[in-house]
Amino acid sequence: AQKITQTQPGMFVQEKEAVTLDCTYDTSDPSYGLFWYKQPSSGEMIFLIYQGSYDQQNATEGRYSLNFQKARKSANLVISASQLGDSAMYFCAMRASGGFKTIFGAGTRLFVKA
Amino acid sequence: NAGVTQTPKFQVLKTGQSMTLQCAQDMNHEYMSWYRQDPGMGLRLIHYSVGAGITDQGEVPNGYNVSRSTTEDFPLRLLSAAPSQTSVYFCASRSEGPPAPYEQYFGPGTRLTVT
Repeated sequence: AQKITQTQPGMFVQEKEAVTLDCTYDTSDPSYGLFWYKQPSSGEMIFLIYQGSYDQQNATEGRYSLNFQKARKSANLVISASQLGDSAMYFCAMRASGGFKTIFGAGTRLFVKA
Repeated sequence: NAGVTQTPKFQVLKTGQSMTLQCAQDMNHEYMSWYRQDPGMGLRLIHYSVGAGITDQGEVPNGYNVSRSTTEDFPLRLLSAAPSQTSVYFCASRSEGPPAPYEQYFGPGTRLTVT
């Protein structure tokens, strides 16, 4: 069975500093994709970044990067130079390649302090 | 291009009532799904569809029905509402074709309260 674990219910970070949000996963599928989504207080779900299990390099999208450690089954999200607008809920998710079901972790709420 | 739309945005039901949450997408996506979001539990998959006429159950399907008669629409029906179904409901769609990442596009959500 597939599982996503986010162990940090809440995190605080100072504005302009970097922060790492943890995500570990469990799957027996050899090919899968890992996703991070942001949910601001307004409630919408915003796609941030994707990492394929066979991708050789860690994914990056602007200030977001994904620290992918396949042997440890971790896919941590790193946000550089935090901004006040980064305060939100962040969800890690996974889907087996060719699979139909995307499963989500419980989320981490990030608070950025001025 | 409206993306994924959901109606209503808010709904209050009494226990035992039935209702349908509407979801539509205009991106010609084959795959559509319904999630519920409860505090501390992330998003849990209720039902999904891989094309018109094809639906399947997710993690928490009990108490919900779906159908997919067109590519665009994927309504979620609550047959007899229970307080345990109080939640925020999200509809999502994605493409099955390349290129990756095949991320999901989410609707704005429906906040449902069952009293």
